[in-house]
Amino acid sequence: GQQLNQSPQSMFIQEGEDVSMNCTSSSIFNTWLWYKQDPGEGPVLLIALYKAGELTSNGRLTAQFGITRKDSFLNISASIPSDVGIYFCAGPRLRGGATNKLIFGTGTLLAVQP
Amino acid sequence: DGGITQSPKYLFRKEGQNVTLSCEQNLNHDAMYWYRQDPGQGLRLIYYSQIVNDFQKGDIAEGYSVSREKKESFPLTVTSAQKNPTAFYLCASRRKGAGVGDEQFFGPGTRLTVL
Repeated sequence: GQQLNQSPQSMFIQEGEDVSMNCTSSSIFNTWLWYKQDPGEGPVLLIALYKAGELTSNGRLTAQFGITRKDSFLNISASIPSDVGIYFCAGPRLRGGATNKLIFGTGTLLAVQP
Repeated sequence: DGGITQSPKYLFRKEGQNVTLSCEQNLNHDAMYWYRQDPGQGLRLIYYSQIVNDFQKGDIAEGYSVSREKKESFPLTVTSAQKNPTAFYLCASRRKGAGVGDEQFFGPGTRLTVL
């Protein structure tokens, strides 16, 4: 079945550093979504990608839809303490053409030391 | 402001008791979802509903029940049959229609602790 593998599992960085994380699958996805979850809160959508090769930015965040459609990347530039949280990738499950459900990666925990 | 609300934020129950978690949205979204999140894990789908008076089981529906009597509301009942109910529960919703993306929007979550 479809699975999403995120790496790294966790990152501990200094404020000001750039961050890169990725999400891979053995299956093709037509959409890639990136969410951030603060401790004790619900995930918040950061970026949505709909086209292979697409590169989209949201402030200091940049995400790319891999050309093979089997991976996606999220970069954070000049990290700040409020970037702390868990970052999830997600994509729609494909079953008979229906895309009503999402599958989520296991998340990348980001810790930023001031 | 439009959004998704979940109540309560924290809930404590004794083992063997049923408990109902509330989820309300005023986004006029058609589809609603319930997820369970355990420490260090991703989100697992419990139930989802694409339209009023209709819902489908997700990956871990055993021990849970839902209803969808109104478009705005999708309550989740954690029954005594759920063997390990302590978890963080997240509700989400999604707009449906031609040209609409796959994005789901989440509520703030309810942390359930069964003593």
